[in-house]
Parts: sequence; structure tokens; C-alpha cells
Amino acid sequence: EPEVTQTPSHQVTQMGQEVILRCVPISNHLYFYWYRQILGQKVEFLVSFYNNEISEKSEIFDDQFSVERPDGSNFTLKIRSTKLEDSAMYFCAMGGPGVTGELFFGEGSRLTVL
Amino acid sequence: AQSVTQLGSHVSVSEGALVLLRCNYSSSVPPYLFWYVQYPNQGLQLLLKYTTGATLVKGINGFEAEFKKSETSFHLTKPSAHMSDAAEYFCAVSGGSGYSTLTFGKGTMLLVSP
Repeated sequence: EPEVTQTPSHQVTQMGQEVILRCVPISNHLYFYWYRQILGQKVEFLVSFYNNEISEKSEIFDDQFSVERPDGSNFTLKIRSTKLEDSAMYFCAMGGPGVTGELFFGEGSRLTVL
Repeated sequence: AQSVTQLGSHVSVSEGALVLLRCNYSSSVPPYLFWYVQYPNQGLQLLLKYTTGATLVKGINGFEAEFKKSETSFHLTKPSAHMSDAAEYFCAVSGGSGYSTLTFGKGTMLLVSP
């Protein structure tokens, strides 16, 4: 049974539109991550979030991306103005407590930008 | 910085045959190493992990992997493949400090024929 729930499972949007992907932890995790997987490519790190702030981000995570945890529960990834190349599977992941390095992944949100 | 190389984007085996999926890593610090499995239309599920201690680690579904520092390898094996093992397998490395970012390899698709 997954520990992380992601919504929506699939979203189709027009280029230039804003998209918000949501992640709801089931257990009490402390560290939050977003990864993406473009079709046929490897899973890439986007951003990590701890104690209500970004702790690390990749070069992919430019100004069009943002993350927040608005209500202390949901963890969201916002893409302000989607581009065709943003089409990918976006995975939320969580870790903690304990120092093991293991992450628990959601089932992913597939974003298709037309 | 860390990196992961998985040899072979596709590996085909017959049911009952040995499974060997190769993973080599690069890390400037003692690594934590992971294998994740992704079934179609699902998220990433942890198979096994190496953090410290015993270099041969056992995971779910009969898989195991051996950390070989001298070879910078963490190959995944299973003595006897089952049809249900057909999936994509990802090797990942982190910096070994608990919640360092995971860096993934490109993945290896395991195909199992009857």
C-alpha cells in the first residue's frame, strides 16, 4: 500500500497554462521531493523540501517551477507556464523519520502538454 | 557529485533463469545504494538498499545485491526469474548522509519469457 498519494494521476493541458500537482503523505514524513521522468529517460531530481523551505534544487527547477506545503499536509508542485518539454511523469517522494536515505514514492502524475 | 551507470537498457531472460542487472556508481563520499522497481503505470518501489555493514543485501521478491567498493558496483541478482519480475529496474545512489538527493540510473527493462 503506497504511503504517498498523488493527484491528478493524469493531466492534459495546453502549452502556457499553469499546472499544480499535489502530493499527500499518509505517514508523518519530514523530507519531501519531486522527481520527473520524461518518457524513455531516467528519473531526474527536481527539488527537495524540508522544514517548509527548499533544501536543494536541480538546474531543471527553474523559475517556472515552485513548491509549497500550504496547509502543512499537501505538498504541491506548480508549473507556471507549461512547455511541451514539461510533458513527463512527475513523482513525489518522501523520507523520514530515521537516517536511512530511503524514499517512498507516489504512483506519479502524468502531465501531457499539448 | 554522484552518478549511476546501468549497463543494458533491456535484459531478456527465460522464466527460471538467473537475473543479473548491472549497476556501477560514482561517488565522492561513501554511498548509500538502492534498487527500485517500477511496474507498468505504477510508482517506484524499493527493492533493497545498502547503507553500511554487510555488503550482500537481500530485498523483496528474492532479489539481492552486493556492494563491491573496489569495483564501484552494486549489481542486482535473482537466482530464478518469474514472469511477475518483468518490470523496469532503477539503480540509485545518494551521498550517504541520510537524506541526500537520490541520483538514478537510466533504468533497465527486464523482460521474462515463458
